[in-house]
Amino acid sequence: DAKTTQPPSMDCAEGRAANLPCNHSTISGNEYVYWYRQIHSQGPQYIIHGLKNNETNEMASLIITEDRKSSTLILPHATLRDTAVYYCIVRVRDTGGFKTIFGAGTRLFVKA
Amino acid sequence: IAGITQAPTSQILAAGRRMTLRCTQDMRHNAMYWYRQDLGLGLRLIHYSNTAGTTGKGEVPDGYSVSRANTDDFPLTLASAVPSQTSVYFCASSDEGGTEAFFGQGTRLTVV
Repeated sequence: DAKTTQPPSMDCAEGRAANLPCNHSTISGNEYVYWYRQIHSQGPQYIIHGLKNNETNEMASLIITEDRKSSTLILPHATLRDTAVYYCIVRVRDTGGFKTIFGAGTRLFVKA
Repeated sequence: IAGITQAPTSQILAAGRRMTLRCTQDMRHNAMYWYRQDLGLGLRLIHYSNTAGTTGKGEVPDGYSVSRANTDDFPLTLASAVPSQTSVYFCASSDEGGTEAFFGQGTRLTVV
């Protein structure tokens, strides 16, 4: 699986969009970009994933650059409950499973 | 039971003792995983199982063993606990298409 690079921490004002960047310059053509988050003391929670097209769901949007070497997770209207560690992962989507190594992620602080 | 259940929630264990952390899922997922998370670090994979009857080593397998006798259960055993195994342990499973991993709420283990 390709390595990812994320900033260690970010701040965001409540109600504003939170844009979390991720670099994955060595991503392979069959690797997907996944985002998970971990709220304090809880197990990680799936947010969204994509291959090359931008994706949106009820939680967030995922913007992947055309060369796929970087991506941005967007929380459109951050709330205090979005304060968490956000993990960007790239991996092959297969039945072999989730043997991905999670990195340190980005700690997002949403402030009132 | 809904999703992944881990037991116990927390445990204080004397060094040298044997301990088994339990993990049960009711989603009929083939793949299951054990991670540990230490303060300030991301999740590190200990062991995994792609399907019942098979297991594999992750990034930090030393001092731990697993078994996968059936689809639903994936216990993690510390044969002789040491203080460096003090950590929060997360069990996870992933669906057939490898799209998403579901995590338990964790077991906080303190070895003294």
